Amino acid sequence: LAKTTQPISMDSYEGQEVNITCSHNNIATNDYITWYQQFPSQGPRFIIQGYKTKVTNEVASLFIPADRKSSTLSLPRVSLSDTAVYYCLVGRMDSSYKLIFGSGTRLLVRP
Amino acid sequence: EAQVTQNPRYLITVTGKKLTVTCSQNMNHEYMSWYRQDPGLGLRQIYYSMNVEVTDKGDVPEGYKVSRKEKRNFPLILESPSPNQTSLYFCASSLTGGYNEQFFGPGTRLTVL
Repeated sequence: LAKTTQPISMDSYEGQEVNITCSHNNIATNDYITWYQQFPSQGPRFIIQGYKTKVTNEVASLFIPADRKSSTLSLPRVSLSDTAVYYCLVGRMDSSYKLIFGSGTRLLVRP
Repeated sequence: EAQVTQNPRYLITVTGKKLTVTCSQNMNHEYMSWYRQDPGLGLRQIYYSMNVEVTDKGDVPEGYKVSRKEKRNFPLILESPSPNQTSLYFCASSLTGGYNEQFFGPGTRLTVL
């Protein structure tokens, strides 16, 4: 299982774009990258998943460079409600049963 | 409504008194998993199940048991709870594997005195 490293915390202001980077130097060929969001006392919620280049959905974008050793979750124009913990996971599509969430990045959005 | 339910949501118990936390999903998912969350440690996987009658250990299985007799249910059993099992527990399910989008339950806050 590839280990991931994320910043412990980040601060931002409403309306700004926030980029959270995750390092996964040992990512394997079959590994996908997935991001989850968690609010206090709630279960995590799936945000986005990707394998390479760029993926975009209605909530976020995920940028993955060619070497795939890192990935960046981009949240456009954050609001106070985006204050949460964000987790980056790496796992194989063929056998990702055992998962490691790590400690995540605590994002604080200020008015 | 598609969901994962857990019961109870809150539980205070004493050391050594066996307890079961139930988890049920109505999405016909094959994969189910239990996590515990402690301050500063993020989410750690306890056990997971790939399908009925198929379970395996996660990162922190000591002191826990699970069973998967039906597809929809995945109970977490603490045979002899200890204070170090005081934690917030989440059950999750996904279509076929952990790499699929996982749907999490609301959590069970357990306190062992």
